[in-house]
Amino acid sequence: DAGVTQSPTHLIKTRGQHVTLRCSPISGHKSVSWYQQVLGQGPQFIFQYYEKEERGRGNFPDRFSARQFPNYSSELNVNALLLGDSALYLCASSTTGFDNQPQHFGDGTRLSIL
Amino acid sequence: AQSVTQLDSHVSVSEGTPVLLRCNYSSSYSPSLFWYVQHPNKGLQLLLKYTSAATLVKGINGFEAEFKKSETSFHLTKPSAHMSDAAEYFCVVSGSGGATNKLIFGTGTLLAVQP
Repeated sequence: DAGVTQSPTHLIKTRGQHVTLRCSPISGHKSVSWYQQVLGQGPQFIFQYYEKEERGRGNFPDRFSARQFPNYSSELNVNALLLGDSALYLCASSTTGFDNQPQHFGDGTRLSIL
Repeated sequence: AQSVTQLDSHVSVSEGTPVLLRCNYSSSYSPSLFWYVQHPNKGLQLLLKYTSAATLVKGINGFEAEFKKSETSFHLTKPSAHMSDAAEYFCVVSGSGGATNKLIFGTGTLLAVQP
């Protein structure tokens, strides 16, 4: 079975632009979460979606938004990009999204802001 | 609030010797705890999970971890290190209980394996 897939793998943008990152969960998984991993740090939680509804939001500005589609895939959007948004963006999926369910991660999208 | 503290930022072992990566947690209720591994330029792979069943948890690639409530610890061990174990390891607690599975990551331990 395919794992979590993310696209694109790498992306270079300039300050002020906007970006859309995409994620396809493991088949049968209904929950998708997004994390930001800045170089040298652990991932930080951005959003969780389950059955197309937002279940959780981390401490990120409103420039960050996300949505989940009927097929459970998800998009993360970031507007007005800042240099500090340069990071590895990770998507994770799980079956129900409850806290005892392990999450399975994709390989991430490496976003570089110039 | 939930949190985890990884006590070592770097650990170096020789191939064939035991591995110990230390993690303490803080939780206001019975936590779900995980260890993930991240190889360079890759995503995170789940090694093992604790969700209030057996306190000794066996994972993939020969890793195991023991949940000790009295010590609020969840240390990761492996009897014999392999070169392929060199990676960054994250101790993780699931964040808020119940309806969300927000993960809270430790700062990571970089494991080096010397030949």
